[in-house]
Amino acid sequence: GAVVSQHPSRVICKSGTSVKIECRSLDFQATTMFWYRQFPKQSLMLMATSNEGSKATYEQGVEKDKFLINHASLTLSTLTVTSAHPEDSSFYICSASVGPAADTQYFGPGTRLTVL
Amino acid sequence: AQTVTQSQPEMSVQEAETVTLSCTYDTSESDYYLFWYKQPPSRQMILVIRQEAYKQQNATENRFSVNFQKAAKSFSLKISDSQLGDAAMYFCAYRSLLGGANSKLTFGKGITLSVRP
Repeated sequence: GAVVSQHPSRVICKSGTSVKIECRSLDFQATTMFWYRQFPKQSLMLMATSNEGSKATYEQGVEKDKFLINHASLTLSTLTVTSAHPEDSSFYICSASVGPAADTQYFGPGTRLTVL
Repeated sequence: AQTVTQSQPEMSVQEAETVTLSCTYDTSESDYYLFWYKQPPSRQMILVIRQEAYKQQNATENRFSVNFQKAAKSFSLKISDSQLGDAAMYFCAYRSLLGGANSKLTFGKGITLSVRP
């Protein structure tokens, strides 16, 4: 149980275009999902906390107009990178809180974004 | 704010031997969760083991066990009978009980473990 999927696994786009990444909980309902960004050989950096039916909470320094997060259902959260630029190239990972107290996070397989 | 420190960036172990990965943390809270996650080359984050701070007994999962020293704020991971598939980056993480489902994970910088055949 506790499987989280992400789509796409890899995406290459041109500078100035927008890219949407989907995060789904496959066998459970997730009221809370998290979005992270990770650079090679580094730790995960939390970007935002996504709650079903409400606005996401962004971490300090993360541009909310640049990284649009929507959590429209209990099994789906999306991250849209708007007007992407090469510096947005990174590995993006989502996770969902699971368990009676939602105390454990399970992670999706990640999405590698390359902006040309 | 809580902090998690993994001071060793890299470690190496011979296949079939035992290795211990260190982690210390700082918090003023009395109850919380601690986790070890593994990130192999595929970059999929995999939960290795979890410990509730109120439990004195150290968590174990097959070849993986922890040495949880609450007073010292130390949470090390022991991998027994190391296998080639254990080669990965390992992250120690802290989670407060405050905030419920919205509570964030605080990660250490990670340690890269290599396994020598």
